[in-house]
Amino acid sequence: AQSVTQPDIHITVSEGASLELRCNYSYGATPYLFWYVQSPGQGLQLLLKYFSGDTLVQGIKGFEAEFKRSQSSFNLRKPSVHWSDAAEYFCAVEAGANNLFFGTGTRLTVIP
Amino acid sequence: DADVTQTPRNRITKTGKRIMLECSQTKGHDRMYWYRQDPGLGLRLIYYSFDVKDINKGEISDGYSVSRQAQAKFSLSLESAIPNQTALYFCATSDGSLGVQETQYFGPGTRLLVL
Repeated sequence: AQSVTQPDIHITVSEGASLELRCNYSYGATPYLFWYVQSPGQGLQLLLKYFSGDTLVQGIKGFEAEFKRSQSSFNLRKPSVHWSDAAEYFCAVEAGANNLFFGTGTRLTVIP
Repeated sequence: DADVTQTPRNRITKTGKRIMLECSQTKGHDRMYWYRQDPGLGLRLIYYSFDVKDINKGEISDGYSVSRQAQAKFSLSLESAIPNQTALYFCATSDGSLGVQETQYFGPGTRLLVL
């Protein structure tokens, strides 16, 4: 069965510091992977997605993610965090028929 | 104007009441979805529809029903609301022309409180 694990419930980083949010998935077939961001009181916005090809994908707002099949991971990174990046981040895997399974989310706090 | 809208944005209701949440989209997408979000549980799929004549149950459909009135409209109903249906509900859409590998676009959410 498909599943997505985000092991970090809450992460706090200083503004300007680098960021890595972890995501591990379990899925028997080729995974299609997504990262979404949810700002307070807002819906979900797509940051980036991986379908095939280059395992390092670039997204909006300076985010990138790397797909590592051997580790079943799709970690999200940003080299320098801005205060406006404070939000909740969700990793998701598409498990056929365009159905998304989401992780439980990682809440990011950015301190000045 | 937002591409995916949800009404109401907030709702308080009582146990046993019937309530309908509505979703409209102007993206011209065939596929629509309803999710609920609970703290610590992420988003879980309730129902999805690939076109007006197609309705499918998701992971947690018990206690819910849906109606796809038109390509642009997808409603979620709670026939008899119960407190554990208190959650944040999201509607989403996707194009459908690619079959897979498509981005889902989310509405702003409806916060529902069942007393």
